Amino acid sequence: AQTVTQSQPEMSVQEAETVTLSCTYDTSESDYYLFWYKQPPSRQMILVIRQEAYKQQNATENRFSVNFQKAAKSFSLKISDSQLGDAAMYFCAYRRGDKIIFGKGTRLHILP
Amino acid sequence: ETGVTQTPRHLVMGMTNKKSLKCEQHLGHNAMYWYKQSAKKPLELMFVYSLEERVENNSVPSRFSPECPNSSHLFLHLHTLQPEDSALYLCASSQGLAGDTGELFFGEGSRLTVL
Repeated sequence: AQTVTQSQPEMSVQEAETVTLSCTYDTSESDYYLFWYKQPPSRQMILVIRQEAYKQQNATENRFSVNFQKAAKSFSLKISDSQLGDAAMYFCAYRRGDKIIFGKGTRLHILP
Repeated sequence: ETGVTQTPRHLVMGMTNKKSLKCEQHLGHNAMYWYKQSAKKPLELMFVYSLEERVENNSVPSRFSPECPNSSHLFLHLHTLQPEDSALYLCASSQGLAGDTGELFFGEGSRLTVL
């Protein structure tokens, strides 16, 4: 079965510091998409960043960047200069055909 | 109007009640989804509708009954639920199945508690 694994249920980071959230996935396909979604306490989940597997360059969106290791099937999210508004659940997701498969999520706490 | 709106935000029901969750999207999308979010579990895809036709039903118990009367509205009818059905139910929409770029747009969810 297709799986997305987030091994860190919770993490904490000091404000202004950098934190990395881990994600691994299982696939036999060569072309696919990977995502990080953020779900703040208000609960509306939003897309943070997207990576296309055929692109070797790691995606970057402002303070958010990914480390995509295709051979290792690893897709980590780095948040630089953490802000209080970054506190949320973060979900790693994989797109397989018409389905998007989510991990269990990592709850990120920002310490002031 | 915000992109995807879900009502009610909170619902408490007994095991013998019948209730419905409503989702409305104002983004002009043609695909809509119901996900179940339980603590310490991955998001579970329940139902997918594309152009108002159901295209996915992931072995969801029949006590959950979806309805998609048009491309902007999606309902989840609930009856004879069990306490383990207590969860956050998320509605999402996209342009194309799984989104043309893989992006789903979510509502804030309906928190369901079954007593």
